[in-house]
Amino acid sequence: NAGVTQTPKFQVLKTGQSMTLQCAQDMNHEYMSWYRQDPGMGLRLIHYSVGAGITDQGEVPNGYNVSRSTTEDFPLRLLSAAPSQTSVYFCASSYSQVPPLHFGNGTRLTVT
Amino acid sequence: GQQVMQIPQYQHVQEGEDFTTYCNSSTTLSNIQWYKQRPGGHPVFLIQLVKSGEVKKQKRLTFQFGEAKKNSSLHITATQTTDVGTYFCAGPGGSTLGRLYFGRGTQLTVWP
Repeated sequence: NAGVTQTPKFQVLKTGQSMTLQCAQDMNHEYMSWYRQDPGMGLRLIHYSVGAGITDQGEVPNGYNVSRSTTEDFPLRLLSAAPSQTSVYFCASSYSQVPPLHFGNGTRLTVT
Repeated sequence: GQQVMQIPQYQHVQEGEDFTTYCNSSTTLSNIQWYKQRPGGHPVFLIQLVKSGEVKKQKRLTFQFGEAKKNSSLHITATQTTDVGTYFCAGPGGSTLGRLYFGRGTQLTVWP
């Protein structure tokens, strides 16, 4: 099994550009989430989903949108990129919110 | 803001010394999870503690959950260079299902 797959691995954007970070899992996990990781700040929850068609906000949702049309995919959209969104983004999934949380390899995003 | 506080932020030890990281919450946690992230990698689940006063061991790692279920610790005996990485605790966010909040992590460096 591939587990949790994130694409791209690296991305550079200019301020104001939009893009979608892709996340897919092949473990039939109901729960999926997006975190951003900044130095000294740990992992901060952006958005999460407890199942297809259901999403909710985490700690730092502003500037990001998500949707969950299928169980497998949970894309994260940056509407208008800002330098403050420079970070490493991790997608994670688990079976019905029961540990363990499986993480993807991350997307390193730089906004100039 | 952070639901779970973790200290210290950094710890540098010589190989063979012990290491401890602490996690505290202002509210009672239904469970607490621990993850390890190697440099350049993604977080990997280590363990979940659920019961008040619970102690679990994994080889040289000892995990404890406080009696009040508001604090937890991870202790590594006789550190090795393979223990290098950042250790995170994570706890569920109150009554809202799906929210898992991570502490800021403790970055462990081990000198050979």
